[in-house]
Amino acid sequence: DTGVSQNPRHKITKRGQNVTFRCDPISEHNRLYWYRQTLGQGPEFLTYFQNEAQLEKSRLLSDRFSAERPKGSFSTLEIQRTEQGDSAMYLCASSLGTGSPHEQYFGPGTRLTVT
Amino acid sequence: AQKVTQAQTEISVVEKEDVTLDCVYETRDTTYYLFWYKQPPSGELVFLIRRNSFDEQNEISGRYSWNFQKSTSSFNFTITASQVVDSAVYFCALSEEAEGDKIIFGKGTRLHILP
Repeated sequence: DTGVSQNPRHKITKRGQNVTFRCDPISEHNRLYWYRQTLGQGPEFLTYFQNEAQLEKSRLLSDRFSAERPKGSFSTLEIQRTEQGDSAMYLCASSLGTGSPHEQYFGPGTRLTVT
Repeated sequence: AQKVTQAQTEISVVEKEDVTLDCVYETRDTTYYLFWYKQPPSGELVFLIRRNSFDEQNEISGRYSWNFQKSTSSFNFTITASQVVDSAVYFCALSEEAEGDKIIFGKGTRLHILP
């Protein structure tokens, strides 16, 4: 399977715990995006990377959130001191990134439940 | 500010009927891109189409067609001869050139195709 993969697919954690999600993009794609989707809503942009450089962060991304893409390949999204409001589906996408926006290909998501 | 409105929250049609999903967008940019994504019950977002603001030609792909009208800031999506497999949530989305690759999604339209 050469699509975008995300792990884990589901995560249940207690409030206050830290969690980390991983995203592996399509191999030749140099842009990688993180979105959050809550029930009944469309995905909301969180941040994106061009290779290893984080180019933009949404205001939605509080100080408790941090994303990395150390070698320009896979990326991790960490949430520290989780809150119940962090419960959502976290989506990763990748695209060929030069010039005009290319179509973004999404992974299956990681569903986070904070109890 | 960029915004995407999908006024239809939920639509139900009987199989083989045609159905149109509405999308209205707001942008101050002259160069922008419009997208449609499908999210089936499995949850993974599937890219359907991307159009840029300079190309108003309607597009047809099999049973799918898209009507882009800058005069009304609309980018509507029609499914002809609907099938049960078309049941999903459909998202319209917008990306402005000035905002890089960030995609703003509408809230989605949940489409039920009844057998």
